[in-house]
Amino acid sequence: SQKIEQNSEALNIQEGKTATLTCNYTNYSPAYLQWYRQDPGRGPVFLLLIRENEKEKRKERLKVTFDTTLKQSLFHITASQPADSATYLCALAENSGNTPLVFGKGTRLSVIA
Amino acid sequence: DGGITQSPKYLFRKEGQNVTLSCEQNLNHDAMYWYRQDPGQGLRLIYYSQIVNDFQKGDIAEGYSVSREKKESFPLTVTSAQKNPTAFYLCASSMGRGLTGELFFGEGSRLTVL
Repeated sequence: SQKIEQNSEALNIQEGKTATLTCNYTNYSPAYLQWYRQDPGRGPVFLLLIRENEKEKRKERLKVTFDTTLKQSLFHITASQPADSATYLCALAENSGNTPLVFGKGTRLSVIA
Repeated sequence: DGGITQSPKYLFRKEGQNVTLSCEQNLNHDAMYWYRQDPGQGLRLIYYSQIVNDFQKGDIAEGYSVSREKKESFPLTVTSAQKNPTAFYLCASSMGRGLTGELFFGEGSRLTVL
């Protein structure tokens, strides 16, 4: 069966450290992966997109990697701050382009000062 | 400012009543979506529409209905047939008729059944 899993429901880290969130998928052939941030009671906000032929993408303190062999994307936040505390969702887009994005359940990140 | 507006933000309903959640966008996006979010469940797709007067069922369409009479509007009706309607509902849109682009979300509507 098809699955997309973010294997940590919650992650606590100290301020200043690098947070690493994982997104694994099974039985999908994604054309690309997207990452979103969601604050409590708000709608998700798009952060980054990485295509299947890209190994790494960066935006300020954010970095995303995509390994189609491992069927995994990693999302890194360097020099983390308490303001980075939120739930982070990964979503994949299949190669066919005919089906909507599939979302993982999210990882709730808490950055402790 | 362009964006997606959902209303109401909070809604209470008695069992057996239908309620309609509004979603309006002024981004000129073709595709629109409705998701439901429950604690620990992530986002689950209810309905989506790629073009006016056409829409498709998502993974959990039972007990819900939609319409797409105008490009900018995609209202969701939660009917009395929906067995567990208490949830956070999110509307989204994306550019073009393809379904895999970046999604722009509204601020959500929280429905509570009393």
